[in-house]
Amino acid sequence: GAVVSQHPSWVICKSGTSVKIECRSLDFQATTMFWYRQFPKQSLMLMATSNEGSKATYEQGVEKDKFLINHASLTLSTLTVTSAHPEDSSFYICSAGGGWGNIQYFGAGTRLSVL
Amino acid sequence: ELKVEQNPLFLSMQEGKNYTIYCNYSTTSDRLYWYRQDPGKSLESLFVLLSNGAVKQEGRLMASLDTKARLSTLHITAAVHDLSATYFCAVDMLMNRDDKIIFGKGTRLHILP
Repeated sequence: GAVVSQHPSWVICKSGTSVKIECRSLDFQATTMFWYRQFPKQSLMLMATSNEGSKATYEQGVEKDKFLINHASLTLSTLTVTSAHPEDSSFYICSAGGGWGNIQYFGAGTRLSVL
Repeated sequence: ELKVEQNPLFLSMQEGKNYTIYCNYSTTSDRLYWYRQDPGKSLESLFVLLSNGAVKQEGRLMASLDTKARLSTLHITAAVHDLSATYFCAVDMLMNRDDKIIFGKGTRLHILP
């Protein structure tokens, strides 16, 4: 199957700082990438859909100014959590589509802890 | 609005037993997915079901899809401890050119040795 690399896998930061998470499709071009957030023992919640070369589409209730998404190329999307606060602590997972049959392939996830 | 409901949400079972996880969804869809998630890990793709009557099997897991009933099942045969994990079903939701998928709440499966 296709490979999606997500980095970093784990990050701890102080409240008020910004954190950038990268999502790369390694062996295919991803026209669409998705960003999810998952709280402990809960399901994945779609935050936003990003399409290469255009603005991301955010789900209802997700602050676009807080969660900045950039999809500048067909192999890279980034999620920047700006001015992070403890309530932003969560597991963030990206996925990339556009591969064979548009099936989504998931990254390994990033665990964010905001102190 | 597409809704995906899984049941049960939690299942504790003995090794060697059989059981089924159910996934109902509310509107027509193109694809249904089953994923496995181990604690602290991301999602592992198990099955993709594309058409009515589709059945796929991998080891002790078998997934099926009934698009008329909007129901998918994940059947576990002779469970072993290694299958303990959270299992998610997800349904494709084509919107414009996007390919959003909507997840169920997950079934936490705990298999007792």
